[in-house]
Amino acid sequence: ELKVEQNPLFLSMQEGKNYTIYCNYSTTSDRLYWYRQDPGKSLESLFVLLSNGAVKQEGRLMASLDTKARLSTLHITAAVHDLSATYFCAVDSWNNAGNMLTFGGGTRLMVKP
Amino acid sequence: SAVISQKPSRDICQRGTSLTIQCQVDSQVTMMFWYRQQPGQSLTLIATANQGSEATYESGFVIDKFPISRPNLTFSTLTVSNMSPEDSSIYLCSGREGWTEAFFGQGTRLTVV
Repeated sequence: ELKVEQNPLFLSMQEGKNYTIYCNYSTTSDRLYWYRQDPGKSLESLFVLLSNGAVKQEGRLMASLDTKARLSTLHITAAVHDLSATYFCAVDSWNNAGNMLTFGGGTRLMVKP
Repeated sequence: SAVISQKPSRDICQRGTSLTIQCQVDSQVTMMFWYRQQPGQSLTLIATANQGSEATYESGFVIDKFPISRPNLTFSTLTVSNMSPEDSSIYLCSGREGWTEAFFGQGTRLTVV
């Protein structure tokens, strides 16, 4: 059974600081997805990482994937309050109906002024 | 990506009753999924709903409690049957085409009293 673990689960940081969220998964996968969820809202796709060594950047967020280490990182550069949200990573796996996503526990990020 | 309209957005229901949640996609999509998310928690997959076949349920979820319909490639419903306070949660539907990123409805916040 695929397990996806994120850490930290909660992160409080000051504006302007840098930090990294980690996502480890237990079985082989070449695809990993990052989502953002604002309080009371649905999930918004941030990044799709489709191969080993993939790196994607959007604004102050950069995601990378190391399939050999089964590790993805989401790096935050010079955080701003607008980045406060919960971030989920998700990995592809299979069930009887086809491919599905298994989500990590989420990292709740709070950026303080 | 496609857009899912999910309704109702929230509801307060009496225990013992049933609630049907609807998701309408603005384009055809092969796979649809139903998730449950407890406040502050990650997403747990309830079932995969593919058109033309019975839904595939994950461990801990059964058809009698969570019947699902998928009459065509743009629509699905989830019914939460014989509700108890333990069913209070956020329910999310999701669509996906193959290995692409999944997209989500706005969620239904259910409170059972």
